[in-house]
Amino acid sequence: AQTVTQSQPEMSVQEAETVTLSCTYDTSENNYYLFWYKQPPSRQMILVIRQEAYKQQNATENRFSVNFQKAAKSFSLKISDSQLGDTAMYFCAFIWSGPLVFGKGTRLSVIA
Amino acid sequence: ETGVTQSPTHLIKTRGQQVTLRCSSQSGHNTVSWYQQALGQGPQFIFQYYREEENGRGNFPPRFSGLQFPNYSSELNVNALELDDSALYLCASSTRDGLGEKLFFGSGTQLSVL
Repeated sequence: AQTVTQSQPEMSVQEAETVTLSCTYDTSENNYYLFWYKQPPSRQMILVIRQEAYKQQNATENRFSVNFQKAAKSFSLKISDSQLGDTAMYFCAFIWSGPLVFGKGTRLSVIA
Repeated sequence: ETGVTQSPTHLIKTRGQQVTLRCSSQSGHNTVSWYQQALGQGPQFIFQYYREEENGRGNFPPRFSGLQFPNYSSELNVNALELDDSALYLCASSTRDGLGEKLFFGSGTQLSVL
């Protein structure tokens, strides 16, 4: 079974600084997708970024980028120029065939 | 906003009761998935419906059941509620456009079982 591990339960960063959230996963499959979701206090899961495993190029979305290391099964999220609105729970998720599998999340606090 | 709406937003029930949660999918989406998110945890997959048929189920007992209607809206029913059923229940809709389909989540229903 696929598993997703987020080893940082909580992190904090100063406004305008850069922070990296870690994620590792376990799978024997070759073609799959990885995601980072943001869950603010409103509770709605918001897709931040998506990475296809068959693409070597790391995905980027404005201030958000990933470092995808397929051999190491690592998928970290970098947030540049952190903003107060980035304060939220961040979940790493994996899908191959079947449902999305989530990690336990990292609570990120952006401090003014 | 994703266009996925869930009702009610909060609900309080007592142990042994039954509950129905509702979800309206985003326009054009024919697949609905339900997730349970316990406090401090990531969402756990309950089941998925595609064109009114159950299309996958997670490790949840049969007292968790669902329906999807012709307009692709959906219900999650939980019978014989237990204290451990207290959680945020998230609905997500998507299109079956292949692997890596993007899920669009609602804001969830917070269920408290006393």
